[in-house]
Amino acid sequence: AQSVTQLGSHVSVSEGALVLLRCNYSSSVPPYLFWYVQYPNQGLQLLLKYTTGATLVKGINGFEAEFKKSETSFHLTKPSAHMSDAAEYFCAVRSGSGNTPLVFGKGTRLSVIA
Amino acid sequence: EPEVTQTPSHQVTQMGQEVILRCVPISNHLYFYWYRQILGQKVEFLVSFYNNEISEKSEIFDDQFSVERPDGSNFTLKIRSTKLEDSAMYFCASSERGGNSPLHFGNGTRLTVT
Repeated sequence: AQSVTQLGSHVSVSEGALVLLRCNYSSSVPPYLFWYVQYPNQGLQLLLKYTTGATLVKGINGFEAEFKKSETSFHLTKPSAHMSDAAEYFCAVRSGSGNTPLVFGKGTRLSVIA
Repeated sequence: EPEVTQTPSHQVTQMGQEVILRCVPISNHLYFYWYRQILGQKVEFLVSFYNNEISEKSEIFDDQFSVERPDGSNFTLKIRSTKLEDSAMYFCASSERGGNSPLHFGNGTRLTVT
């Protein structure tokens, strides 16, 4: 069965600083990996996904993530935080076969300080 | 850009009452899902639906829950006899196909059971 661990329930960065949100996954088969963002009182919006191919994937709003199979990680980064990045971020995994459910991590709340 | 729409945005009901949460998935999508998020907790999978039948369901999705696609556009979640612990945000999602196809989420229905 798949699972996701997000290290740090709350991360706080200064505006302009590097954003690093950590995600480790567990999957018995090659996974599909996703990052979603949730703004207050809104649904989940897809930031980026990794399926196959290039291990560094770029998403919306300047975010990117790198799939590292040896470390079973899919950390999310952004070089320079903006106030509008403050939100809840969820890492999710799905096994690479059939229609297995998308499994979410517990989420990391990102705060950006002016 | 097409989006998943959910109604109502907020539903208040008394314990023991039946509720129906409604969703209109993206029109060319074939897979439909319900997730829930209890306040402050992770996003949990409830059920997936494909080809007019349930393809996967979680332990949460017990006999009190049912899903239906009554026509070509709507996808509903019914809770037969609500309990206090059913209070949560319920998210509908759809995807074009299974596997690596990302889920597109609605803005959710906040269910409050009193």
